Amino acid sequence: GAGVSQSPSNKVTEKGKDVELRCDPISGHTALYWYRQSLGQGLEFLIYFQGNSAPDKSGLPSDRFSAERTGGSVSTLTIQRTQQEDSAVYLCASSPTGANQPQHFGDGTRLSIL
Amino acid sequence: QKEVEQNSGPLSVPEGAIASLNCTYSDRVSQSFFWYRQYSGKSPELIMSIYSNGDKEDGRFTAQLNKASQYVSLLIRDSQPSDSATYLCAVRDTGRRALTFGSGTRLQVQP
Repeated sequence: GAGVSQSPSNKVTEKGKDVELRCDPISGHTALYWYRQSLGQGLEFLIYFQGNSAPDKSGLPSDRFSAERTGGSVSTLTIQRTQQEDSAVYLCASSPTGANQPQHFGDGTRLSIL
Repeated sequence: QKEVEQNSGPLSVPEGAIASLNCTYSDRVSQSFFWYRQYSGKSPELIMSIYSNGDKEDGRFTAQLNKASQYVSLLIRDSQPSDSATYLCAVRDTGRRALTFGSGTRLQVQP
């Protein structure tokens, strides 16, 4: 079946602009995660959605970052007033319900802030 | 601060050899452990998961977990040039769904 789909694959924008990144999880997966990966670094957790529960926002680095998940499926990550340090690859993952279910990643959105 | 530590490498092994990748973690309540492979410019791909002490084998890959020593490793037998990638160790804590990742070990398999 189809994997996790992210769009756009690349985004270049000017400092101070807002950006929206989209993630379409694997069908049937109830859990959805956003991570970001800076050049040469591991993945940094941002936010987690599970069904209709309140999201775990503990990884969001500032109040410029927000995310929502509509209808328990597609999610958008919004970064307001982008800064150069926001440049990174933003990765979305999804998993089925269950404590030990592995996460499957999309191809990511490479965000570059000029 | 929960930490997952990996040697950044590069770890260079000849084709056909065993590659041994290591990972230590700081939080004793860690529950689930994952190894992901990431090719340059690509997204992480799940290789192995392990939840209990001991070894778990899948083809050429063996994951080893020692919770007392807070240590998890990945062995790749009969290494191939196509195994050249960065290997990310990830840990999930009890009661938390998000993964904490190490910064990865870059493996180079020399033909």
